[in-house]
Amino acid sequence: GAGVSQSPSNKVTEKGKDVELRCDPISGHTALYWYRQSLGQGLEFLIYFQGNSAPDKSGLPSDRFSAERTGGSVSTLTIQRTQQEDSAVYLCASSLAGSDLYGYTFGSGTRLTVV
Amino acid sequence: DQQVKQNSPSLSVQEGRISILNCDYTNSMFDYFLWYKKYPAEGPTFLISISSIKDKNEDGRFTVFLNKSAKHLSLHIVPSQPGDSAVYFCAASDRKTNAGKSTFGDGTTLTVKP
Repeated sequence: GAGVSQSPSNKVTEKGKDVELRCDPISGHTALYWYRQSLGQGLEFLIYFQGNSAPDKSGLPSDRFSAERTGGSVSTLTIQRTQQEDSAVYLCASSLAGSDLYGYTFGSGTRLTVV
Repeated sequence: DQQVKQNSPSLSVQEGRISILNCDYTNSMFDYFLWYKKYPAEGPTFLISISSIKDKNEDGRFTVFLNKSAKHLSLHIVPSQPGDSAVYFCAASDRKTNAGKSTFGDGTTLTVKP
């Protein structure tokens, strides 16, 4: 596709339920990033995939969060047993070969609300 | 420990005037800096960047200045236009050890009044 696609655009879930967020990066971009933006905050790094290398998971806030990237393309971020503090906009981005030389291309995000 | 800081949450300027957005960083290993612009309900879009080997980079109405000794960078928009109203994020990366992974500030909301 022409850009980074994220689905769903909005998700409301009950506390304790699991959610899956999907990201379709730009074709040919080998690097994929997940960030989240809580209300009034900046972008918080979550996880980074680059090609076939082991992902950098250093930003995942707890073991309830996990992500995978299948076939070097689509990525899914899973949050288990959601809590209210997980409410945020989850942003996915991709770039060529793990370089931020020309910046990332971000999707429009998934707004997650945990009630 | 917030490594990239944008101390002004908001800025308001008159159309046609200069907008100056500031960013400070603490990690001396950062060697690449970027500015992104974000409209509501959209993801951030890349605006302009600068390498630590330079002190200025210009692209049309947008200029980024880097002062390494002060660990400070700024984005100048001249002349400002109402369409520039958005949230601006400063980002930085250490390309030697963490190539491609950017650390972002909290953003500054710019309002350009007609």
